[in-house]
Amino acid sequence: KAGVTQTPRYLIKTRGQQVTLSCSPISGHRSVSWYQQTPGQGLQFLFEYFSETQRNKGNFPGRFSGRQFSNSRSEMNVSTLELGDSALYLCASSLGGGVLNTEAFFGQGTRLTVV
Amino acid sequence: LAKTTQPISMDSYEGQEVNITCSHNNIATNDYITWYQQFPSQGPRFIIQGYKTKVTNEVASLFIPADRKSSTLSLPRVSLSDTAVYYCLVGLRRDMRFGAGTRLTVKP
Repeated sequence: KAGVTQTPRYLIKTRGQQVTLSCSPISGHRSVSWYQQTPGQGLQFLFEYFSETQRNKGNFPGRFSGRQFSNSRSEMNVSTLELGDSALYLCASSLGGGVLNTEAFFGQGTRLTVV
Repeated sequence: LAKTTQPISMDSYEGQEVNITCSHNNIATNDYITWYQQFPSQGPRFIIQGYKTKVTNEVASLFIPADRKSSTLSLPRVSLSDTAVYYCLVGLRRDMRFGAGTRLTVKP
């Protein structure tokens, strides 16, 4: 079966701009989580969506937002980009629901560079 | 959320067994223990998950003592391709908190 697809793979943006990243989960998966990975901070949880509702949120400013569509595809948006937003953004999908200890499948990530 | 502590790095040689221990002193009753592997510029990949005693799959074993305050990931006969960062996660919720992980380097 197809894995988690993230687009685009690479992106270069200028400070102050906004960006939208996309994640298509594995078919049948209803939970999508987003993570930011940087060399200094490691992997940090951004938020999780399940059935179009944000279920959990990490400690990131309001410039970071997301949404999930009825087909479980998810987007995350970062407004007013800062240099420190340069990172690998990872999306993970899982079946979700009920007992939450289900395996999460990660995409290849989107490498965002802010200049 | 239970905090985890792992060694920052480990070195091994091809063909050896590698054991990576994770401490999680304040693990909750319902928490599972999950290990992920990550190669550079790729998303983490699920390795194994367990609740108590021992779990084994085709790539690894997970040993969890009775008090569940620690766990050990065992990789049998590692190869160069096992060089990666290994993360131990403890929790029940979807908002997985990744620690710094253990950078395993396998040498020829």
